Amino acid sequence: NAGVMQNPRHLVRRRGQEARLRCSPMKGHSHVYWYRQLPEEGLKFMVYLQKENIIDESGMPKERFSAEFPKEGPSILRIQQVVRGDSAAYFCASSPGGHGYTFGSGTRLTVV
Amino acid sequence: SQQGEEDPQALSIQEGENATMNCSYKTSINNLQWYRQNSGRGLVHLILIRSNEREKHSGRLRVTLDTSKKSSSLLITASRAADTASYFCATDGGSISGNTPLVFGKGTRLSVIA
Repeated sequence: NAGVMQNPRHLVRRRGQEARLRCSPMKGHSHVYWYRQLPEEGLKFMVYLQKENIIDESGMPKERFSAEFPKEGPSILRIQQVVRGDSAAYFCASSPGGHGYTFGSGTRLTVV
Repeated sequence: SQQGEEDPQALSIQEGENATMNCSYKTSINNLQWYRQNSGRGLVHLILIRSNEREKHSGRLRVTLDTSKKSSSLLITASRAADTASYFCATDGGSISGNTPLVFGKGTRLSVIA
């Protein structure tokens, strides 16, 4: 039973490009959460999704960021027209509903 | 808004000593969790303490929770160099469903010197 899988582990993008981060939840988990971690900081919540629905996006910047969790396939966090300030580690967690979160190893985005 | 706040921000101790980290939060909770993160790595779940519990043990870890003060502490006994990491507390915001996102503090960076 593989854990939460995130890919890529490292992503380098030039300013203005798009970044796509993928998260495959644990088998049987239908709830996905995305967090962002800046250097020397804790994790900050971005968005909470269930299959095909965004439940809470209160932590997501209003522009350039979007997330989806389709019926089939991984959850995708998309950042358009990246800027240097988007450089961070992005973590995904999944749960079966209720308590019990499992985190992925993260994607480290570097914008050059 | 950021809810958990850990202190100290950084802690440096000798191997064999005990390390105590504290966490404060602002709203009601169902449970509080502690996570560990090695530099550049993902989070590892350490222990969960429910709001009706006051103390919990797991190996060399001891967690206390004081809901009246909205605070928790994590004690690592007989520390080892391998315990060097950042430690975060996270709370669930008290929702009945338990599906609300976790809210993390900024963490305590622990360095254990051999």
